[in-house]
Amino acid sequence: EAQVTQNPRYLITVTGKKLTVTCSQNMNHEYMSWYRQDPGLGLRQIYYSMNVEVTDKGDVPEGYKVSRKEKRNFPLILESPSPNQTSLYFCASSLGTVPYEQYFGPGTRLTVT
Amino acid sequence: DAKTTQPTSMDCAEGRAANLPCNHSTISGNEYVYWYRQIHSQGPQYIIHGLKNNETNEMASLIITEDRKSSTLILPHATLRDTAVYYCIVRVAWTAAGNKLTFGGGTRVLVKP
Repeated sequence: EAQVTQNPRYLITVTGKKLTVTCSQNMNHEYMSWYRQDPGLGLRQIYYSMNVEVTDKGDVPEGYKVSRKEKRNFPLILESPSPNQTSLYFCASSLGTVPYEQYFGPGTRLTVT
Repeated sequence: DAKTTQPTSMDCAEGRAANLPCNHSTISGNEYVYWYRQIHSQGPQYIIHGLKNNETNEMASLIITEDRKSSTLILPHATLRDTAVYYCIVRVAWTAAGNKLTFGGGTRVLVKP
C-alpha cells in the first residue's frame, strides 16, 4: 500500500531533550516536506527536499533540522525542543512539484513541557 | 498565489451530493486548482485537481468555470465519513513554492444522517 509513515505518532518530552521524528514514504517520491499545524495558523512549512541531499527552508525553519540521505526517508530533528514547538507535525511527499499531488502522513502530536 | 474564498461551513444529507464552491478570481494561467480535505487532525488528504477541464476521479468531480475564476467540488454521494474541512487552494506549477501548501480556513462540511 502506498503510504507515508511517521513515528512516533505521539510524543511528550521535556525542554532541551533532543528528538527525531521519522518520516518514510514507499512511493519513490522525489519531493518531501515537513509542516506544522497550529490552531488559527493553518499549515506552515518547516523544511522541504526536492531530492536526495537537496533540502531547503520553508517558512518556519528555526529550531529544526532535516536530512535527506535516502530518497524514502526525511527525518525531522529538534536539537533542543522548546514549548513553542508543541504542535501537530505532518510529513508529506509527492512525485515532484505541482501538478503532482502531495500525500500526507498521519501526523505526530508533539508536546514539549 | 491566487487567493481563494470558500463558505465557512455547510451541511449535507447523507447519500446526497455535496457541492462545495470556491472562488479564485485572480487565478493565473499556470495555476492549478487543488482540493484537499482534513478529517479532524488526521493528515490532509488529496482529493482532486485541475487546470482548465473538468475532472473526475473515484472520490469526486471538479467543475471549473470557463473563465477559471471559480470551481465546484462535487462529492456525488456524501457519507458520514466525508465530514471534514475541505480546502480549495490554487498552486503555481513547476516550482518548489507551488508545492508549499498553506491551508486557510476551508469549508467545514458536516454530513448528517
